[in-house]
Amino acid sequence: GDSVTQMEGPVTLSEEAFLTINCTYTATGYPSLFWYVQYPGEGLQLLLKATKADDKGSNKGFEATYRKETTSFHLEKGSVQVSDSAVYFCALSEHTDKLIFGTGTRLQVFP
Amino acid sequence: DTEVTQTPKHLVMGMTNKKSLKCEQHMGHRAMYWYKQKAKKPPELMFVYSYEKLSINESVPSRFSPECPNSSLLNLHLHALQPEDSALYLCASSQATGTGGTDTQYFGPGTRLTVL
Repeated sequence: GDSVTQMEGPVTLSEEAFLTINCTYTATGYPSLFWYVQYPGEGLQLLLKATKADDKGSNKGFEATYRKETTSFHLEKGSVQVSDSAVYFCALSEHTDKLIFGTGTRLQVFP
Repeated sequence: DTEVTQTPKHLVMGMTNKKSLKCEQHMGHRAMYWYKQKAKKPPELMFVYSYEKLSINESVPSRFSPECPNSSLLNLHLHALQPEDSALYLCASSQATGTGGTDTQYFGPGTRLTVL
């Protein structure tokens, strides 16, 4: 069945460092791919999405490109801030409205 | 406006109590979802309503009873819960365009439930 694999956390960075959180997926067809962010004590917020191969989703300085050849959707940001500290979930949705989530990656950014 | 609201924010209940969680959206979305999230885990899907009809029940115990009174409201009725049911309960909604998984789900802030 469909699945999402994310890198283990926590990822610990200094402010203004470059961020990459790896995400790879397994799907039978052509899923839509999402990154959600969850700040402490809150619900999930959509960060960005891509619905077809080679699409790039971007928002708030974060980017991810849908790579069909490597079945990946890695999240990147050029310069992280302390306020980016949160848990990041990669997810896919294929034939239905069911979201398949990865295990989540905790990001900690220190001043 | 992409807001999904949930009430209450926190709920503490005993194992013999009956309580309800409420979720509301005014985005015209026709699909609504309940998820359960334990600490340090991703959300787990519980129920999906599409056009006010229950379309997915992920084998959830009957002590959880969903209800969709209209297209904007979603309730989760709780009865005889166990301590292991303590978790963050998240509601979400999406447009339900039927375009093979491209719809975005918008989440509410959640209700943090503690069962004593």
